Amino acid sequence: AQTVTQSQPEMSVQEAETVTLSCTYDTSESDYYLFWYKQPPSRQMILVIRQEAYKQQNATENRFSVNFQKAAKSFSLKISDSQLGDAAMYFCAYRSALTGANSKLTFGKGITLSVRP
Amino acid sequence: EAGVTQSPTHLIKTRGQQATLRCSPISGHTSVYWYQQALGLGLQFLLWYDEGEERNRGNFPPRFSGRQFPNYSSELNVNALELEDSALYLCASRREPSYGYTFGSGTRLTVV
Repeated sequence: AQTVTQSQPEMSVQEAETVTLSCTYDTSESDYYLFWYKQPPSRQMILVIRQEAYKQQNATENRFSVNFQKAAKSFSLKISDSQLGDAAMYFCAYRSALTGANSKLTFGKGITLSVRP
Repeated sequence: EAGVTQSPTHLIKTRGQQATLRCSPISGHTSVYWYQQALGLGLQFLLWYDEGEERNRGNFPPRFSGRQFPNYSSELNVNALELEDSALYLCASRREPSYGYTFGSGTRLTVV
């Protein structure tokens, strides 16, 4: 079974600074997808960024980028120019590329990010 | 397009009662996933429905059940409620073969 680990329960960043959130995972599969989701106080999970394991290039979405290290099974999220609206809980998630019963997302326990003005 | 909608937003039940939670996926999405988010435990996979059938379930007791209707909306039922069932229940939908999941805002279930 796949597992996702987020070892830092909380982090804080100064507005306009850069912060990196860590995530590691364990799988025996070679093809899969990795995601970062944001959950603000409104509770709705919002997809921030996704990475396909067969792509070596790190995904980027505006101020959000990832550092995907497949051999190390590491998938960190970097937030540049942090904004107050970035304050939320962030979840790392894994999904097998196989269809069928493995299509569910497996989540880490999340990290609470606070942004200091 | 309308997002994933869940109802009710909040639900308070007494231990031993039954709770019914509802989810309407995005139009055209045939798969519905249910997750439980209890404090400090992250999101735990509960159930997956696709084309009206239960395709997979997580490590939860049988008193957690549900169904998917012909219009792809879904219902989660929790019988014989226990205090530890208090959690946020999130529903997500996706269209095959896309791998994008869209989540609803959840139902906060409190068992007293």
